[in-house]
Amino acid sequence: SQQGEEDPQALSIQEGENATMNCSYKTSINNLQWYRQNSGRGLVHLILIRSNEREKHSGRLRVTLDTSKKSSSLLITASRAADTASYFCATDGGDDKIIFGKGTRLHILP
Amino acid sequence: GAGVSQTPSNKVTEKGKYVELRCDPISGHTALYWYRQSLGQGPEFLIYFQGTGAADDSGLPNDRFFAVRPEGSVSTLKIQRTERGDSAVYLCASSLGTPNYNEQFFGPGTRLTVL
Repeated sequence: SQQGEEDPQALSIQEGENATMNCSYKTSINNLQWYRQNSGRGLVHLILIRSNEREKHSGRLRVTLDTSKKSSSLLITASRAADTASYFCATDGGDDKIIFGKGTRLHILP
Repeated sequence: GAGVSQTPSNKVTEKGKYVELRCDPISGHTALYWYRQSLGQGPEFLIYFQGTGAADDSGLPNDRFFAVRPEGSVSTLKIQRTERGDSAVYLCASSLGTPNYNEQFFGPGTRLTVL
């Protein structure tokens, strides 16, 4: 079963534009993480936001968390071709099991 | 090592055969996870080790799947009597401790194809 649900499922934007992806989840969490995956292999951790945090930045990434709405968003500013990938949110669900969503496939157009 | 490694990178087998997939975590990482990822889906949790013991194996789909980590480092995922539906990429990840507050580092995965 998957706890997180990203939307949109797919997103195509022009290089230089900002990309926003959303994640909704069902149960209480300790933290929420975002990962990137290129070509169906090798997930790379992007950012972790704890349940008591509302916003976090890392370079061109901005993550928000709204625990009252059980949702998070990932914003990538000034997108680049290299940002083309699938992006997943992952939640811990209060235990040690990390549950991933189905992901958003982001395509940056030249 | 520098990162999580998995072997083999690709495995093709026939239905009914037995396979073993290996994961070498980052040295010093006590937590180790196995996931399975089908095309177009996110990684699906299979099993989690803390040290040598399986802390949570609730994601294993059935008793054909088994995983061990005898010395608290390398782990092997074993699949008996493989079925075509077992075809997927099997991912391994490790972290310093529980993933509640620790980043997971993923290996490149093993692509299993059952013919």
